[in-house]
Amino acid sequence: DVKVTQSSRYLVKRTGEKVFLECVQDMDHENMFWYRQDPGLGLRLIYFSYDVKMKEKGDIPEGYSVSREKKERFSLILESASTNQTSMYLCASSPVGQGAGNTIYFGEGSWLTVV
Amino acid sequence: QKEVEQDPGPLSVPEGAIVSLNCTYSNSAFQYFMWYRQYSRKGPELLMYTYSSGNKEDGRFTAQVDKSSKYISLFIRDSQPSDSATYLCAMKRGAGNNRKLIWGLGTSLAVNP
Repeated sequence: DVKVTQSSRYLVKRTGEKVFLECVQDMDHENMFWYRQDPGLGLRLIYFSYDVKMKEKGDIPEGYSVSREKKERFSLILESASTNQTSMYLCASSPVGQGAGNTIYFGEGSWLTVV
Repeated sequence: QKEVEQDPGPLSVPEGAIVSLNCTYSNSAFQYFMWYRQYSRKGPELLMYTYSSGNKEDGRFTAQVDKSSKYISLFIRDSQPSDSATYLCAMKRGAGNNRKLIWGLGTSLAVNP
C-alpha cells in the first residue's frame, strides 16, 4: 500500500514563528503536493513538486514556501505564521502516468493552530 | 461560478438506504472524474475513478458520469454506518499530472444505525 506520512498531526504555534511541516512518501512517486483544507473553501493547492528541487506555485502560495531535496520528502514552510494560516494541511503524492495510474494519495493531515 | 459545484449537505439517511451524491461542473473539457471519501480528521482516499461518460460499479458503489448534462453521481447501495464520511468529487481535463485537479467542496454523509 502507498503510504504518505505527515510527521506532525497536531501543532500549536505562535504568530510569527517559522513552521515546518514534513511529508514522506514510500512509493517513489515523482509528484508531490501540499494542500490546505478549510470549511466552506475545500481543498486548495498551495504548492506542487514534479521532481527533486522542482516546484510550482499552486493557487494559494502566499506566505508559504516548500523544499524538496529528496524524491521521497516534501516540506512545507510557513516563514512567519499568521492566524489565518490555522488550517488542516494535507500532503499528497502521485506517480506520473495515465488514467487511474496517476491516482493521488493523501497523508492523514496536519492540524495547525496559530495563536 | 465555481467550476465544480457540490452540495455540502449534511445528508442523513437510515442504515440500508440508497444514497445519491452529486456534483455538477461547468467545463465541458473535463474527462477524468473521481470520488474520494474522507473520514473525520483523516486524509481523503480514492473510492472510484471513471473516464468520460458511463457507469462504473465497485461493490456497493456505482459512479455515473453524464457529460451531456455535466453531472456526475456516486450511488451507495445498502448504506452502512461505516459509510459516514465526507465525499469529495474531483475532475480534470487530461490524463496528465494532478496539478490540474479541480475539487468539489465535499458532501457530509451520516448513516444512522
